[in-house]
Amino acid sequence: AQTVTQSQPEMSVQEAETVTLSCTYDTSESNYYLFWYKQPPSRQMILVIRQEAYKQQNATENRFSVNFQKAAKSFSLKISDSQLGDTAMYFCAFMRGTTSGTYKYIFGTGTRLKVLA
Amino acid sequence: GAGVSQSPSNKVTEKGKDVELRCDPISGHTALYWYRQRLGQGLEFLIYFQGNSAPDKSGLPSDRFSAERTGESVSTLTIQRTQQEDSAVYLCASTSGRSQGHYGYTFGSGTRLTVV
Repeated sequence: AQTVTQSQPEMSVQEAETVTLSCTYDTSESNYYLFWYKQPPSRQMILVIRQEAYKQQNATENRFSVNFQKAAKSFSLKISDSQLGDTAMYFCAFMRGTTSGTYKYIFGTGTRLKVLA
Repeated sequence: GAGVSQSPSNKVTEKGKDVELRCDPISGHTALYWYRQRLGQGLEFLIYFQGNSAPDKSGLPSDRFSAERTGESVSTLTIQRTQQEDSAVYLCASTSGRSQGHYGYTFGSGTRLTVV
């Protein structure tokens, strides 16, 4: 069974600085997808960034980038130039296809990030 | 609609009562998912709909939980004889099709259920 581990329950960073959130996962699959979602107090899960396992190049979305180490099963999120609006819970998630034809997530327990003014 | 809409936003119920949670997906989205988020935890899969059929119900925790969907529209998650361990945020999400799930879901803001 797949598992996702986020070992940092809480983190803080000064505004404009860089922070890295860690995530490791366990799977025997070779083809899968990895995601980071942000959950602000509004509770809505917002997709931050997505990585396809068969792509070696690390995904980047503006100030957000990942360090994907497939062999080590590690998928960390780097937030550059942190902004107050980045304050939220961040969830790492693993996804693969299933026999029912859908794509289901397995989520980590989250990292609460606070950006300090 | 423009986004995934869930109602009610918050629900407090007495132990033993039945509750219905509603999800209105993005118009045209055929795939719909329910997840549960307990306090301090990540999301747990409950059920997946493609159209009005549910090919994957493997996450429903007990027979007190059921869900239905009308066509490719509204879905209702029903919890009968609620227990305190059912307290959680229930999140709904949709995608434009079964095969689109790996691009990510669009989530609603959830229903926070508190059983007292």
